[in-house]
Amino acid sequence: EAGVTQFPSHSVIEKGQTVTLRCDPISGHDNLYWYRRVMGKEIKFLLHFVKESKQDESGMPNNRFLAERTGGTYSTLKVQPAELEDSGVYFCASSPTSGWARPYEQYFGPGTRLTVT
Amino acid sequence: SQQGEEDPQALSIQEGENATMNCSYKTSINNLQWYRQNSGRGLVHLILIRSNEREKHSGRLRVTLDTSKKSSSLLITASRAADTASYFCATVSLDSGGGADGLTFGKGTHLIIQP
Repeated sequence: EAGVTQFPSHSVIEKGQTVTLRCDPISGHDNLYWYRRVMGKEIKFLLHFVKESKQDESGMPNNRFLAERTGGTYSTLKVQPAELEDSGVYFCASSPTSGWARPYEQYFGPGTRLTVT
Repeated sequence: SQQGEEDPQALSIQEGENATMNCSYKTSINNLQWYRQNSGRGLVHLILIRSNEREKHSGRLRVTLDTSKKSSSLLITASRAADTASYFCATVSLDSGGGADGLTFGKGTHLIIQP
């Protein structure tokens, strides 16, 4: 079974440009998450999809970030316009549907390293 | 302030020795998970311990959870060079809708196993 995949693995863009990151979760996983780690800081939660719906987007830093999950399959995270402080590694993760009695671990992709110059 | 904070930030030991990492958190949790990240790779889930559990084992890993102190420890026994990685604890809030909410991570402990 294929794991979580992310594309691209590395992106270098100039300040003010637009970048779109893609995440393909494990097939059948309803839950999809985006996280970000900026240099020297902890990994921060950005948002959580359940199928195509945004369950929690409390971690999105501002309105320059837009996440979509059309059809409840893959997801994209667009940054427009990119700023220097957006540089970091963006991780995607997925998990099956779970309940309180059966919490599941999350399966992470390798991440996309975004560098804004 | 951070939800999860690992201690120590870096740890270097000899191969064969045991490695212990600690994690503290601030809010009530549904469960706590430990992840490993090898350089340049994604995070790999190691073990999950629920809030009503106190200890859990998986192979060479032993995790403890003390909800009264809001702390957890990860013990790796008989360390190997391949265990060199960063280790993160992550928590799921008690208020989550069934344990499937976003994780709150600490900064991690960088473990180096010297051959």
